[in-house]
Amino acid sequence: DTGVSQNPRHKITKRGQNVTFRCDPISEHNRLYWYRQTLGQGPEFLTYFQNEAQLEKSRLLSDRFSAERPKGSFSTLEIQRTEQGDSAMYLCASSYSRADGNSPLHFGNGTRLTVT
Amino acid sequence: RKEVEQDPGPFNVPEGATVAFNCTYSNSASQSFFWYRQDCRKEPKLLMSVYSSGNEDGRFTAQLNRASQYISLLIRDSKLSDSATYLCVVNTNAGKSTFGDGTTLTVKP
Repeated sequence: DTGVSQNPRHKITKRGQNVTFRCDPISEHNRLYWYRQTLGQGPEFLTYFQNEAQLEKSRLLSDRFSAERPKGSFSTLEIQRTEQGDSAMYLCASSYSRADGNSPLHFGNGTRLTVT
Repeated sequence: RKEVEQDPGPFNVPEGATVAFNCTYSNSASQSFFWYRQDCRKEPKLLMSVYSSGNEDGRFTAQLNRASQYISLLIRDSKLSDSATYLCVVNTNAGKSTFGDGTTLTVKP
């Protein structure tokens, strides 16, 4: 296992189209996170899962965004009816949750979305 | 007010300088703390965890003050390769990680 894998690396789409991104976490990690990052900002929390359960979704996230982790392994993030403001780097991270705390996040390379 | 706040910088320092970054957080229930490093157009990578008693890793020293809800990172003997953005990260007990917007460091020859 070589780490967190994200596909595609880059996505260019026209406004109004739907896009879907995939994340494969580190295999022994039970937590999976999605973040969004724009230039000059830190990663902004979108949502996270423990196994297949979605534990929290950011209130900043509109209904156009949905994430799934159906078997507790890989996850998909879908954005419907994309807008130019959705252009950003979408980062996936995974970690292992233990009784005594949580391991640090390990990030994938990200998917850079450009909406034209 | 953001949950995690950092001085954005930029910090421009000569090689060999000592530089310190600060971070404050608003959630008093926060349980664990980290510093990440992010190079331009790359993903964030863990630099070090921050422990209550303070901890050191080579030229890097991290401190935590729970009473003041404040975290710091000290870099001694700066190298050109230390140029990056340093992100402060705060975890709640539920495991959610919140990032600051980062502090940009440029080390010059």
